[in-house]
Amino acid sequence: AQTVTQSQPEMSVQEAETVTLSCTYDTSESDYYLFWYKQPPSRQMILVIRQEAYKQQNATENRFSVNFQKAAKSFSLKISDSQLGDAAMYFCAYRSAGTGRRALTFGSGTRLQVQP
Amino acid sequence: DAGVIQSPRHEVTEMGQEVTLRCKPISGHNSLFWYRQTMMRGLELLIYFNNNVPIDDSGMPEDRFSAKMPNASFSTLKIQPSEPRDSAVYFCASSRRTSGISTDTQYFGPGTRLTVL
Repeated sequence: AQTVTQSQPEMSVQEAETVTLSCTYDTSESDYYLFWYKQPPSRQMILVIRQEAYKQQNATENRFSVNFQKAAKSFSLKISDSQLGDAAMYFCAYRSAGTGRRALTFGSGTRLQVQP
Repeated sequence: DAGVIQSPRHEVTEMGQEVTLRCKPISGHNSLFWYRQTMMRGLELLIYFNNNVPIDDSGMPEDRFSAKMPNASFSTLKIQPSEPRDSAVYFCASSRRTSGISTDTQYFGPGTRLTVL
């Protein structure tokens, strides 16, 4: 079974600074997808960014980018120019590319605080 | 476009009562997922449907839990009888699965916070 580990329960960043959230995963599969979801206090789960394992290029969405290291099974999220609205829980998630196994496996989350 | 809709947003009930949570997926999506979030266990899959058919219900805790998807635009998760340990946030998510290797992304509803006293 796949596992996802987020070793940083809490992180803090100053507004306008850059922060990196860590995520590692364990799998024997070669094809899969990785995601970062944001959960603000409203508890809505919001997709931040997605990475296909077969793509070597790191995904980028505006101020959010990932550092995907397939051999190391590492998938970190970098938030640039942090804003107060970025404060939330961030969950890393894994999904197999196999059509029969499509549920997401989540990490335990990292709570990000943004200091003004 | 409307996102995934869940109702109720909050539910408080007493132990032993029946609880029904409802979900309307995004129009055009053919896969639906129920997840549960607790402090102890984090986010975990309960069940998912593809084209209204349950595919994986290995996460359903026990016979007290049941889920149905009578059509493409509606699903229910029922707990009968409810117990205090069922208190959690229940999320519904939907995605659009295409043929071959699926690249679908799951979009989540706002969740239902269930409290069983």
